[in-house]
Amino acid sequence: ETGVTQSPTHLIKTRGQQVTLRCSSQSGHNTVSWYQQALGQGPQFIFQYYREEENGRGNFPPRFSGLQFPNYSSELNVNALELDDSALYLCASSGQGEETQYFGPGTRLLVL
Amino acid sequence: AQSVSQHNHHVILSEAASLELGCNYSYGGTVNLFWYVQYPGQHLQLLLKYFSGDPLVKGIKGFEAEFIKSKFSFNLRKPSVQWSDTAEYFCAVSSMNTGFQKLVFGTGTRLLVSP
Repeated sequence: ETGVTQSPTHLIKTRGQQVTLRCSSQSGHNTVSWYQQALGQGPQFIFQYYREEENGRGNFPPRFSGLQFPNYSSELNVNALELDDSALYLCASSGQGEETQYFGPGTRLLVL
Repeated sequence: AQSVSQHNHHVILSEAASLELGCNYSYGGTVNLFWYVQYPGQHLQLLLKYFSGDPLVKGIKGFEAEFIKSKFSFNLRKPSVQWSDTAEYFCAVSSMNTGFQKLVFGTGTRLLVSP
């Protein structure tokens, strides 16, 4: 166990809806990254938050947005859900200046 | 752009067989290299990592990996696999040149070890 927790574990939504996924980082970690893992693929970087600000973003559209709170927990919001958004969403945390990221169990999202 | 290639998508071995999983990356600068493992029903776990120094790194559960800079490779090895090594293995690379750390993953290798 890494100490990174995510909620919910599973979620079913319909196309066009909005979803919010949550992540609590490991104690002492101030950096949170989000990844999308489609079936049969490796995780793909969505964005990273450090001290409540987005400091890096992957190749995802603006309808993917996030927040980080003062306690370093984080949210991933996805608007106007599409069928291709069905995936496992992973949160990873790391300490300041630390190169290693520690992953949570993920939230499996199904969009119908 | 960075990319990671894992050439073996599925590997089936018998217990006690030796394992080598290939990983090649595409990036010209200084990189950090990782192997993560995902056991059935569990989250991604760090197996080992290379930042600098000795190119042969040892990780948990008897795994090791060798960084060969000239070949842009970071292959994972284990001399004798066990049934409990059945899992999906991901190679990943990161670089801080962009000002933040993002991991770029390969597509993964599913390993099945038969008892």
